[in-house]
Amino acid sequence: KAGVTQTPRYLIKTRGQQVTLSCSPISGHRSVSWYQQTPGQGLQFLFEYFSETQRNKGNFPGRFSGRQFSNSRSEMNVSTLELGDSALYLCASSRRGQGPAETQYFGPGTRLLVL
Amino acid sequence: DQQVKQNSPSLSVQEGRISILNCDYTNSMFDYFLWYKKYPAEGPTFLISISSIKDKNEDGRFTVFLNKSAKHLSLHIVPSQPGDSAVYFCAASLYGNSNYQLIWGAGTKLIIKP
Repeated sequence: KAGVTQTPRYLIKTRGQQVTLSCSPISGHRSVSWYQQTPGQGLQFLFEYFSETQRNKGNFPGRFSGRQFSNSRSEMNVSTLELGDSALYLCASSRRGQGPAETQYFGPGTRLLVL
Repeated sequence: DQQVKQNSPSLSVQEGRISILNCDYTNSMFDYFLWYKKYPAEGPTFLISISSIKDKNEDGRFTVFLNKSAKHLSLHIVPSQPGDSAVYFCAASLYGNSNYQLIWGAGTKLIIKP
């Protein structure tokens, strides 16, 4: 069974640009969550999608947005990039995302560098 | 305001000995706690979890202890093996607004010395 895949793996952008990251969940998983990880910080929750609907959202500015398609694939977009957006962006999938007892499976992440 | 803290950025342990990773939290409403392990260039993988109604959960070499009065949990790995070298994240679950959210610690890098 294929795991969670994220593309691209690495990305370099300049301030002010926008970026779109992609995540393909494990087959049969309908919940996709996005996290930001910066050095010295834990994973910061961005948002969660289930059946094409944003079900939960963390405390990030509106520059961060996402969507989910009917095949459960998800994209995350960051507009007007800032230097502080440089981070590892992780995507995680689970079957229904119904609670912490349901294991989340993470992709390898997309490392974004903003210059 | 960090609700979940892992105060040791790194820990070095001899192979075969016990590794103890610690995690402190501030919110008494957390109802579930998880440990994830992360190797370089890979995403975190689930290791073990514990409900707030329990004080211990064991899975093979891994045991998690929860002390609710101290708002503290720990992960014990016995015996430690070279493959255990990784970054370990503690996460706590908070339910609100009809959904739950995981709050993560900053991670502890465990190094197992041969």
